Amino acid sequence: AQSVTQLGSHVSVSEGALVLLRCNYSSSVPPYLFWYVQYPNQGLQLLLKYTSAATLVKGINGFEAEFKKSETSFHLTKPSAHMSDAAEYFCAVSDHGTGRRALTFGSGTRLQVQP
Amino acid sequence: EAGVAQSPRYKIIEKRQSVAFWCNPISGHATLYWYQQILGQGPKLLIQFQNNGVVDDSQLPKDRFSAERLKGVDSTLKIQPAKLEDSAVYLCASTTSPERADTQYFGPGTRLTVL
Repeated sequence: AQSVTQLGSHVSVSEGALVLLRCNYSSSVPPYLFWYVQYPNQGLQLLLKYTSAATLVKGINGFEAEFKKSETSFHLTKPSAHMSDAAEYFCAVSDHGTGRRALTFGSGTRLQVQP
Repeated sequence: EAGVAQSPRYKIIEKRQSVAFWCNPISGHATLYWYQQILGQGPKLLIQFQNNGVVDDSQLPKDRFSAERLKGVDSTLKIQPAKLEDSAVYLCASTTSPERADTQYFGPGTRLTVL
């Protein structure tokens, strides 16, 4: 079965600082990996996804993530944090059972951006 | 295009009462998911539909939860009777097809509080 572990339930950075949110996965088959963002009282919005093409994936709002098979990681980064980046971020892996395509999510990382 | 619609946005009920949530996916999306998101956790799949058929309901508590997707479009999730531990946000998502790489589009969710 697939699983995702997000290290750090809360991350706080200063505005303009580097954002690094960690995600490690476990999968018996080549994984499809996703990062979603959730703003308060809203649904989840896709930031980016890895589907076995380029290992460095660029997403919306200046975010990117690098797939590292040797480390089973898919960490999310952004060079310079903005106040509007404050939200909850979820890493997810796509299931691969017959017909099953649900996402298995990590427990989330809440990003705070200090002025 | 219009996103995934859900209603109601908020619901407060007493334990042992019944409640129903409604979801209207993006037009043309054949695959529909219901997720349960308990406070402080990532979303967890309850049920996946492909058109109007159930693909995966292995994590649906069938003694109290039921779901249907009439005519392969709108879907309703029902809880009867509700328990305190059912307090959560119920998210509906849809995709064009059940391919692993497909992006799931999420609605804003229904926040259920069981007293």
